[in-house]
Amino acid sequence: KQEVTQIPAALSVPEGENLVLNCSFTDSAIYNLQWFRQDPGKGLTSLLLIQSSQREQTSGRLNASLDKSSGRSTLYIAASQPGDSATYLCAVRRVNRDDKIIFGKGTRLHILP
Amino acid sequence: DVKVTQSSRYLVKRTGEKVFLECVQDMDHENMFWYRQDPGLGLRLIYFSYDVKMKEKGDIPEGYSVSREKKERFSLILESASTNQTSMYLCASRTGGRGYTFGSGTRLTVV
Repeated sequence: KQEVTQIPAALSVPEGENLVLNCSFTDSAIYNLQWFRQDPGKGLTSLLLIQSSQREQTSGRLNASLDKSSGRSTLYIAASQPGDSATYLCAVRRVNRDDKIIFGKGTRLHILP
Repeated sequence: DVKVTQSSRYLVKRTGEKVFLECVQDMDHENMFWYRQDPGLGLRLIYFSYDVKMKEKGDIPEGYSVSREKKERFSLILESASTNQTSMYLCASRTGGRGYTFGSGTRLTVV
């Protein structure tokens, strides 16, 4: 059974620092992994999608990496800004017929001005 | 960009009412999904659909049903709303090997 874990559950970082969010999964047979951002009371916004054959994806100040063998993904945020404060969730799409994705519980990020 | 539109941001309904939550996507995606999100429990899959008139139960289908009469629209139905169905409801769509696109959510309160 695939389980997705995000540690820590909450993180506070001074503005301007670079930071890394972690996501781990128990079954390396994944189709892809997706990082989302969620602002309070809002829906999920897709940040980056990494296919199983890829090692990383970049978008602006964000870089996501994937290491299937160790069951880990990281989301790197460069030069953090107060507007980056949100909850970040990772989700793993499994390689099987039911096509479900499994979400982590998220990391709540607070950038201190 | 794909848009997934949920018709209501906030809803307040009474216990026992039949409730319809509507979701529309504009990019011809085959797959659509309904999740609920609760503090401490994360996102849980209620129902999903691979195509028109097709539906599959997710992890917590009890008390819910769905309808997909047209490819772009996926409706979640609470047959008889109860207070334990107070939650944030999120709709998503996807096609092929692409990622998921979510709507902005509906905050449902059942009183």
